[in-house]
Amino acid sequence: KQEVTQIPAALSVPEGENLVLNCSFTDSAIYNLQWFRQDPGKGLTSLLLIQSSQREQTSGRLNASLDKSSGRSTLYIAASQPGDSATYLCAVSQYSGGGADGLTFGKGTHLIIQP
Amino acid sequence: GAVVSQHPSWVICKSGTSVKIECRSLDFQATTMFWYRQFPKQSLMLMATSNEGSKATYEQGVEKDKFLINHASLTLSTLTVTSAHPEDSSFYICSAIQWQGYGYTFGSGTRLTVV
Repeated sequence: KQEVTQIPAALSVPEGENLVLNCSFTDSAIYNLQWFRQDPGKGLTSLLLIQSSQREQTSGRLNASLDKSSGRSTLYIAASQPGDSATYLCAVSQYSGGGADGLTFGKGTHLIIQP
Repeated sequence: GAVVSQHPSWVICKSGTSVKIECRSLDFQATTMFWYRQFPKQSLMLMATSNEGSKATYEQGVEKDKFLINHASLTLSTLTVTSAHPEDSSFYICSAIQWQGYGYTFGSGTRLTVV
C-alpha cells in the first residue's frame, strides 16, 4: 500500500527566505504527483502537477521536482512571503488500469512565514 | 480551468439525522469523482471512488451503508451521511478528474458537525 511522508511536519521561517519541503513515497509506480496548498478550514488549491515522466515543474516562485526512482519530491519556495503561510500537501496517484485512482496524501507541512 | 463546486460549506445536524453533500464539476464532465474525509490535524483519507452510472467503490473500513454515494450524471456526485453520529463530525471534501493527466480538482469542502 502506498504511503506518503512529508518532512518537516512544521516549519517557521522569517519572510524572504528560500525553503524546501520534502515528500517521499514508498511505491514508485505512480502516475503523477501533485502539490496542494490548504488554508485553515478550507479546501485544496492545486499548486503544481508533475507527471511521472517529468522531472520538475515551475510556477512563479514555486518549483517542484520529482525523482520517481527514489520515491522523492521536493517543493522549493523562493523568497517566501507571509501569504505563503498554509499547510502544504503532497499527493500521488496510481493508475490501476481500470480508471483513475484516488490520491494518497501525506500529512502535510504546516508552514508559517514570519513578517 | 477546471472548477468543482461543493455544497454546503458547513452543516450542523442532530444525531440520528441524515445529511447530503453535493459535488459538481462546473465546466467539465467528470466520469470519476472522489470523496475524502479529514479529521483535525490529520491528512485527507480517501473514502470512496464514484463512477458515473455505477456503484461507488469504498475504501477498506468505510461503511457503504452509512455513506451513500450517488453519481447520477457526469457533473454531479452526492454523499449522504445517514444516521449521523458525533463521531462522523469531520471535514468532507470531494474531488473530480477530467482526465488523469490533467490532475485532480478539489471542492471547497464541507464541515459537518453532529450534535
